[in-house]
Amino acid sequence: DTAVSQTPKYLVTQMGNDKSIKCEQNLGHDTMYWYKQDSKKFLKIMFSYNNKELIINETVPNRFSPKSPDKAHLNLHINSLELGDSAVYFCASSSRTTSGGAPRADTQYFGPGTRLTVL
Amino acid sequence: DAKTTQPPSMDCAEGRAANLPCNHSTISGNEYVYWYRQIHSQGPQYIIHGLKNNETNEMASLIITEDRKSSTLILPHATLRDTAVYYCIVRPYNTDKLIFGTGTRLQVFP
Repeated sequence: DTAVSQTPKYLVTQMGNDKSIKCEQNLGHDTMYWYKQDSKKFLKIMFSYNNKELIINETVPNRFSPKSPDKAHLNLHINSLELGDSAVYFCASSSRTTSGGAPRADTQYFGPGTRLTVL
Repeated sequence: DAKTTQPPSMDCAEGRAANLPCNHSTISGNEYVYWYRQIHSQGPQYIIHGLKNNETNEMASLIITEDRKSSTLILPHATLRDTAVYYCIVRPYNTDKLIFGTGTRLQVFP
């Protein structure tokens, strides 16, 4: 009954390679996110998608390309991996509701994380 | 940048109440106070949130001062499994972005 799941849990790869991380949620949410937690433990948002459309795109290198095939999935593809990409990547999901005509983002629920190590 | 200030660390004896403070003196009227925790590099776990009224759920209570410039998360009976980093986050109701600060590392000891 996992709510937000990610695969793989660990990913070790060489510099220059291309890799993907998958995320799935079974909460019926319409918004999904990717966050990065670096070695200093700072957790920062990278992207968010609502109904398969990009909503937030923070200052992230274009080597990172999120892809949302449907509302339940948001995958992260990383090209030409660099040493600085080593981090833990967390997926999250939430629902957007409308209150008084204005969109409202509800509570975000996080996945267990993918630890990426670039050698 | 995070809009909250939290002490970097706190200790609490098992079975006692853990009171975690958070300052958010620049909070706006449309901003909620959210609390998450992260247990040893697991995914952040939602605890509770509020706007201006005090809130309680099965995990914790949230006390927000009348001027909304600070709040306190209360774990009524801390257990060893509550050892974690606790993040206080201020977020406008109509945005998706959660901005995490450095949080408070709570150590519960036997």
